[in-house]
Amino acid sequence: EPEVTQTPSHQVTQMGQEVILRCVPISNHLYFYWYRQILGQKVEFLVSFYNNEISEKSEIFDDQFSVERPDGSNFTLKIRSTKLEDSAMYFCASSGTGTGGNQPQHFGDGTRLSIL
Amino acid sequence: DQQVKQNSPSLSVQEGRISILNCDYTNSMFDYFLWYKKYPAEGPTFLISISSIKDKNEDGRFTVFLNKSAKHLSLHIVPSQPGDSAVYFCAASENTGNQFYFGTGTSLTVIP
Repeated sequence: EPEVTQTPSHQVTQMGQEVILRCVPISNHLYFYWYRQILGQKVEFLVSFYNNEISEKSEIFDDQFSVERPDGSNFTLKIRSTKLEDSAMYFCASSGTGTGGNQPQHFGDGTRLSIL
Repeated sequence: DQQVKQNSPSLSVQEGRISILNCDYTNSMFDYFLWYKKYPAEGPTFLISISSIKDKNEDGRFTVFLNKSAKHLSLHIVPSQPGDSAVYFCAASENTGNQFYFGTGTSLTVIP
């Protein structure tokens, strides 16, 4: 069964450094998402991406964050200057084959980001 | 803005019995609801969904019930198995391609 893959599984970065989290969504999906889960808290939406542009973003997704789909398979989340409070599990998800109707989002196993 | 709420952080059930996990929401624009199951160190795994035009959807041992007037949905697992032990998240969205709003999760333990 196709799945969403994320790399790395764990990223440790010094505060203030840039970090790029990578995701390969399911190949025939059209919608891509990033979520995060701070330890002990709920899963929170960051951004959705469709047709090569951001379709929706939350207030968490400020100017420090950016997303890109540099080729036909990868979907990346960049944090420009990391802060301690960016430490969290980051989940990539994809959905939507374009055939209509509601469809679930399928999640990767996440990247644990630790900011020192 | 807790649009999706799971008020029970944990639930313990004997193997073979029914597990009932509950979820409440506040946004009347939600029209698609899902349950995800999550094991430690893994991402949420899609379990079952329901659209607002239905009040019940069944898939094997899993049944989701939706009460739109009460803005409440529940997941029934019967019979419960030890392998069902995980954190269960309720999620809701307004439309395909829109963000999902997640509840805080209920940790289910099925006791052998």
